[in-house]
Parts: sequence; C-alpha cells; structure tokens
Amino acid sequence: EVQLLESGGGLVQPGEPLRLSCAASGFTFSSYAMSWVRQAPGKGLEWVSSIGGYGSDTYYAESVKGRVTISRDNSKNMLYLQMNRLRAEDTGVYYCANLITPGHSMYFHHWGQGTLVSVSS
Amino acid sequence: ENVLTQSPATLSLSAGERATLSCRASQSVGTSLAWYQQKPGQAPRLLIYDASNRATGIPARFTGGGSGTDFTLTISSLEAEDVAVYFCQQRNNLWTFGQGTKVELK
Repeated sequence: EVQLLESGGGLVQPGEPLRLSCAASGFTFSSYAMSWVRQAPGKGLEWVSSIGGYGSDTYYAESVKGRVTISRDNSKNMLYLQMNRLRAEDTGVYYCANLITPGHSMYFHHWGQGTLVSVSS
Repeated sequence: ENVLTQSPATLSLSAGERATLSCRASQSVGTSLAWYQQKPGQAPRLLIYDASNRATGIPARFTGGGSGTDFTLTISSLEAEDVAVYFCQQRNNLWTFGQGTKVELK
C-alpha cells in the first residue's frame, strides 16, 4: 500500500524558515517524480514544486521561486521542501504527491494527508 | 501562466440528476488535463487523466471530455458519495489547478 506521510508543519513567524518532510513507502520511490501541492484554508489547490526521480530536474511555481527548494533522498525514501522567508500567504496545508504518466502527461496520483503551515506573528 | 477557470462555483442537484462541470483554460492544453475529487477533510483523488480517461477504480458514472481550452466532467447520476469539490488541473505548461466546483445535494 502506498503511503505518503508529511511532517514538519507548524506555526512560524513571517520571514522565518521551515523544512517540510514527506516519508514515502509502498512503491519504488526513485522511479517517481514527486511534488508539493498546497491548499490555503478554505481555498483551492496550488501546485508548489516538483522534482524528477533522480533529483536533477526541479520545477517551482512563480509564487515561491527563489524562496523554496525541493529535494529528495532516494536512499531514505524522503522528499523535502525547504521554505525560506515565509509569508502569511504561504499559510495552508502542504501535501506531497507522486506523479504518474498513465497516458501522455504527468498527474498527481497518491497524496499524503498533509501538514499544516501557519505563518503569523 | 495557464489559468484554468471552473464553472459553476457551486452546483446543487438532487440525487440521480446529471452534473456537468466546466473547466476553461486560458491557453490550449491539448488533452493534458485531469480532474480531481476532494471530499471534506481528505486529500484529493485523481478521477480523470488526459481529459477523458478514468483513473483506476473510478466509477463509470464519471466521464471527462474536451480538448484544447474547453473541458467537462460529467457525473451521469449523482450519488450522495459524490458530494465534494472537483478541481481540474493542466499539465501542458508546468501544473496549475482551477479554483474548484463544489457539488452538493439539494
């Protein structure tokens, strides 16, 4: 059974850093691109960042580019999101998800239950 | 950025009725579009990929269609368990989501 377990969320002050982690199990982790998707309270989904299976390809949404770094450790089946200079608008639930290509494009398949990040003074 | 606009914002229907959800892209995405279902307190679930293909385990009452900039998700006969927010998502240029359509029972 595929499991994705996020951790590292919490209450932080604006401008502070935070590192999110996602522990993966139940699939061959290195064979899958991975992503972070966030959801502000009561709002829709926003893609944040994605990383290829071997970590060499990374992609970021414009809203976080330059403040966020995605990385992975395939030896530990772990995905990370280092967030710096946090802003109030970064508040939300952060989900990790694996990407699949069932046809001709990549989509978010399995999702974790999310970790809540609150940015407030 | 390819903006996805979903309509209506809320769809209120009776059980057994047909639900039609719309997603319009600001730029063509070909058929690189997916639909997700999110129930309260849960993570999203992939329903449809490449515009019209059902993901594994998705009931046949869910049908996706469209190409280019205009897409639809149809639920042929609404059931109580279908109450959720539905999001479209494009994968032609990075990834973006629509703002969601809430489906509720009348």
